[in-house]
Amino acid sequence: EAGVAQSPRYKIIEKRQSVAFWCNPISGHATLYWYQQILGQGPKLLIQFQNNGVVDDSQLPKDRFSAERLKGVDSTLKIQPAKLEDSAVYLCASSLDRLSYNEQFFGPGTRLTVL
Amino acid sequence: AQKVTQAQTEISVVEKEDVTLDCVYETRDTTYYLFWYKQPPSGELVFLIRRNSFDEQNEISGRYSWNFQKSTSSFNFTITASQVVDSAVYFCAEGGATNKLIFGTGTLLAVQP
Repeated sequence: EAGVAQSPRYKIIEKRQSVAFWCNPISGHATLYWYQQILGQGPKLLIQFQNNGVVDDSQLPKDRFSAERLKGVDSTLKIQPAKLEDSAVYLCASSLDRLSYNEQFFGPGTRLTVL
Repeated sequence: AQKVTQAQTEISVVEKEDVTLDCVYETRDTTYYLFWYKQPPSGELVFLIRRNSFDEQNEISGRYSWNFQKSTSSFNFTITASQVVDSAVYFCAEGGATNKLIFGTGTLLAVQP
């Protein structure tokens, strides 16, 4: 079974530029999550999708971050414009659905450096 | 509010030693789940265990064991006879009804040969 795929693995941009990350979850997983992991910290949930609808985006900085999952499969996370403090690893995860006993499977992450 | 505390930032042990990673959680949920994940240098989070709030039985899986004590809001993780391959950052997390996970800050475990 293929795992969660993410691209790119690394991205370096200058502040005020835009960047987009892509995630392909495990086939059949209805719930998709984007986490931000700043160096030395645990992952923090940015947004949670159930199929193509948003379940929780309470910690997403909506003035600069946006995410979509149009067909309920792949998802993109965009930052526009980027700030220095956005430097982090962005992790995508998926689960069968959003019930708590369902394990979340994580992708390898995209390491973003904002200069 | 939900909060997970991993007070140990870094632990260094010599191979074959036993090591315990501490986790203390706070939640207002009556039903909740606790998790441990491993993050090796490659960066991918690897699921280790999930326990629900109604099951306080300790669990053993090979060299790994978990001690869940609701009375002290703790969910500690012990590695017996540690190996170099156990070197990683370990995260404890808590999730409520909608699977929104709250992670601790992680414990970096270094196992020296």
